[in-house]
Amino acid sequence: NAGVTQTPKFRVLKTGQSMTLLCAQDMNHEYMYWYRQDPGMGLRLIHYSVGEGTTAKGEVPDGYNVSRLKKQNFLLGLESAAPSQTSVYFCASRMSGDRKAFFGQGTRLTVV
Amino acid sequence: QKEVEQDPGPLSVPEGAIVSLNCTYSNSAFQYFMWYRQYSRKGPELLMYTYSSGNKEDGRFTAQVDKSSKYISLFIRDSQPSDSATYLCAMSEPRTGANSKLTFGKGITLSVRP
Repeated sequence: NAGVTQTPKFRVLKTGQSMTLLCAQDMNHEYMYWYRQDPGMGLRLIHYSVGEGTTAKGEVPDGYNVSRLKKQNFLLGLESAAPSQTSVYFCASRMSGDRKAFFGQGTRLTVV
Repeated sequence: QKEVEQDPGPLSVPEGAIVSLNCTYSNSAFQYFMWYRQYSRKGPELLMYTYSSGNKEDGRFTAQVDKSSKYISLFIRDSQPSDSATYLCAMSEPRTGANSKLTFGKGITLSVRP
């Protein structure tokens, strides 16, 4: 039972480069979330999705885009990476009628 | 005022101590309350989950919710070095669909000294 899997685990980008972070869950969860975690800032919601084909902005969406073409996958894209996007990114998912969220292991991104 | 406030810590205690971790909140609509534990370089994992007011006990862990004071607590009895981690509180309104997001505290790092 894999749960929530994030790819890649680590990445170093140069300013201006683009990349996509992949989140995959095998629990048939409707809701999926992308958070970033920075020292002293806690978990901040970037974007979320309440179902296949739907996405919505969270607390800090600028500089990021998302897509949910399949129920089990939620992609987070950085079109032009900036040093301010250096962070640890977490994906989470949960059932629509449940508040319990399950998190992936995180992606450590450094933008130089 | 932030919706959820959590003592920033860090907190260091000797093995065997009773630990009390707390969060306050301002949104009276919160009905679901959770505690997540996050080990270093890992993702958060759900530790305790409660609905509305009251206590919930699971082994050495007790979660307490006081909605009248807008205050939640996590107690750890007989703390162990393996309890060393960051603890995050999280809360949610009863609304469903797009508005049912979790709101997290910033987390407090606990270190239990052998």
